[in-house]
Amino acid sequence: KAGVTQTPRYLIKTRGQQVTLSCSPISGHRSVSWYQQTPGQGLQFLFEYFSETQRNKGNFPGRFSGRQFSNSRSEMNVSTLELGDSALYLCASSLGVVGQPQHFGDGTRLSIL
Amino acid sequence: KNEVEQSPQNLTAQEGEFITINCSYSVGISALHWLQQHPGGGIVSLFMLSSGKKKHGRLIATINIQEKHSSLHITASHPRDSAVYICAVEVNYGGSQGNLIFGKGTKLSVKP
Repeated sequence: KAGVTQTPRYLIKTRGQQVTLSCSPISGHRSVSWYQQTPGQGLQFLFEYFSETQRNKGNFPGRFSGRQFSNSRSEMNVSTLELGDSALYLCASSLGVVGQPQHFGDGTRLSIL
Repeated sequence: KNEVEQSPQNLTAQEGEFITINCSYSVGISALHWLQQHPGGGIVSLFMLSSGKKKHGRLIATINIQEKHSSLHITASHPRDSAVYICAVEVNYGGSQGNLIFGKGTKLSVKP
């Protein structure tokens, strides 16, 4: 069974640009969660999508948005990039109910110059 | 105060030693996860617990719901166990899977 796939693995952008990251979940998983990891703040929850609907949202500004398609693939978009957005962005997929483990991708490392 | 506290932050051990990493949390949870992150970023889910104890190979995880505390033990540690170990709690939103709240992680280095 293929794991969670995130693309691209590495990305370099400049301030003010926007970026789109992609996450393909494990087949059959309907929930995709996104997380940001920085050295200062550690891992933080961004949002979760389930069956194309945003179900939970963390405490991030509106510049961070996402969507999920009918095949459960998800994209995350960050607009007007700031230096502080440099981070490892991880997605995780699961069946989406309590008691089910989350399976993480390898992440996209985003660097803002 | 963080909702999830881990200790120690850093841990250096000699190969073969018994290792314990602790996690305390202050919120109501539906489950607690232990995760392993190697350099390069990929995260592997080691355990998901809602009560009691689980064992997988040389790894053992326990949770005490009343005391809001969990421990991860590694028996007969090996250099390949060197990684960051992260405790995360899952907050329940009415039965659907909630988001994870993470500890800051414990960086483990096992010397040969």
